[in-house]
Amino acid sequence: AQSVSQHNHHVILSEAASLELGCNYSYGGTVNLFWYVQYPGQHLQLLLKYFSGDPLVKGIKGFEAEFIKSKFSFNLRKPSVQWSDTAEYFCAVNGYGGATNKLIFGTGTLLAVQP
Amino acid sequence: KAGVTQTPRYLIKTRGQQVTLSCSPISGHRSVSWYQQTPGQGLQFLFEYFSETQRNKGNFPGRFSGRQFSNSRSEMNVSTLELGDSALYLCASSLAGGHRSYNEQFFGPGTRLTVL
Repeated sequence: AQSVSQHNHHVILSEAASLELGCNYSYGGTVNLFWYVQYPGQHLQLLLKYFSGDPLVKGIKGFEAEFIKSKFSFNLRKPSVQWSDTAEYFCAVNGYGGATNKLIFGTGTLLAVQP
Repeated sequence: KAGVTQTPRYLIKTRGQQVTLSCSPISGHRSVSWYQQTPGQGLQFLFEYFSETQRNKGNFPGRFSGRQFSNSRSEMNVSTLELGDSALYLCASSLAGGHRSYNEQFFGPGTRLTVL
């Protein structure tokens, strides 16, 4: 069965610190990979996505992620976080087979950025 | 383009009742998926509808059902509500189709269901 692991459940950083959130998935086939963000009181928004091609993808608000196929990983990074990045971050995987859009989500990482 | 809309936004029911939640996808999107979000279980896939047909289902009891109409709007129904059904129910839509990029999903704000 497909699964997604996010290693950090809670992360506290000071503004300007660098961020890296881990995500590993288990699925043997071709995958689509996503990071979603949920700001307090708001709905899930797509940060970035990987379908194919360059394994280093850039998303909104200065976020990027690197797909490492050999490690089944898709870690999220940001060089310098801001207070406004305080939110919950979810990694998600869709095992692409053309037959479904089902997303498997990780448990989420709650990021608190201190001013 | 308008985003995914869900109604109602908040709902309070009592155990044993049933509830129907509605989702209107982004115009032109043909796939609608439903997810349940709880603090304990996180985000869990309920089911997906495409062209009025359910094409995938998660591990939820038969009390959870859904349907999709010809205009792609979708409803989900939960019968015989239990306390544990209290959750945020999210709807997501996508273009769907053969190309991978069509699988990008856009989420609505959710319906917060409280079961007393």
